[in-house]
Amino acid sequence: KAGVTQTPRYLIKTRGQQVTLSCSPISGHRSVSWYQQTPGQGLQFLFEYFSETQRNKGNFPGRFSGRQFSNSRSEMNVSTLELGDSALYLCASSLRWSREETQYFGPGTRLLVL
Amino acid sequence: AQSVSQHNHHVILSEAASLELGCNYSYGGTVNLFWYVQYPGQHLQLLLKYFSGDPLVKGIKGFEAEFIKSKFSFNLRKPSVQWSDTAEYFCAVNAQRSQGNLIFGKGTKLSVKP
Repeated sequence: KAGVTQTPRYLIKTRGQQVTLSCSPISGHRSVSWYQQTPGQGLQFLFEYFSETQRNKGNFPGRFSGRQFSNSRSEMNVSTLELGDSALYLCASSLRWSREETQYFGPGTRLLVL
Repeated sequence: AQSVSQHNHHVILSEAASLELGCNYSYGGTVNLFWYVQYPGQHLQLLLKYFSGDPLVKGIKGFEAEFIKSKFSFNLRKPSVQWSDTAEYFCAVNAQRSQGNLIFGKGTKLSVKP
């Protein structure tokens, strides 16, 4: 079974631009979570989607948004990019929206904001 | 606020040495506990998890962890490390109220000298 895939793998943007990252969960998985990983802050939860609805949100500004499609694929969008948004963005999928489920991570999208 | 603490930022060991990485969490309710590993250039992979039952959990590649509820700890152990264990290790907690949201520790980098 294919793992979580994320596109693109690498991205360079400039301040003020916006970016959209894509995540395809493991086949059959319906819950998708997004995390930001930086050297200073570590792994921080962004948001989680299940059945096309945002179920949980971390402490990030409104510039960070996401959505989930009927096929469980998810996108996250960052508008008005800032230098501090440079990070590895990780997507994780699980079978259901439940704390009993294990999350499986994708390889991430590395975003560099210049 | 819930938090996860990993006591060691960087651990350097020689091959065949024993490993113990500390992890403490702050949430007092029911929790699920995870250890993930990130090998150089690879994505986060699940090492082991604890949901309930036997507090001594065995994972892949000879790793094990012990959940001590009274100490709010979930330490990772391996009797004899190998050079291939060089990686960054993350402890994560999924608390009862957070559904799928994982709270990660800052990670511990393990360097194993051949």
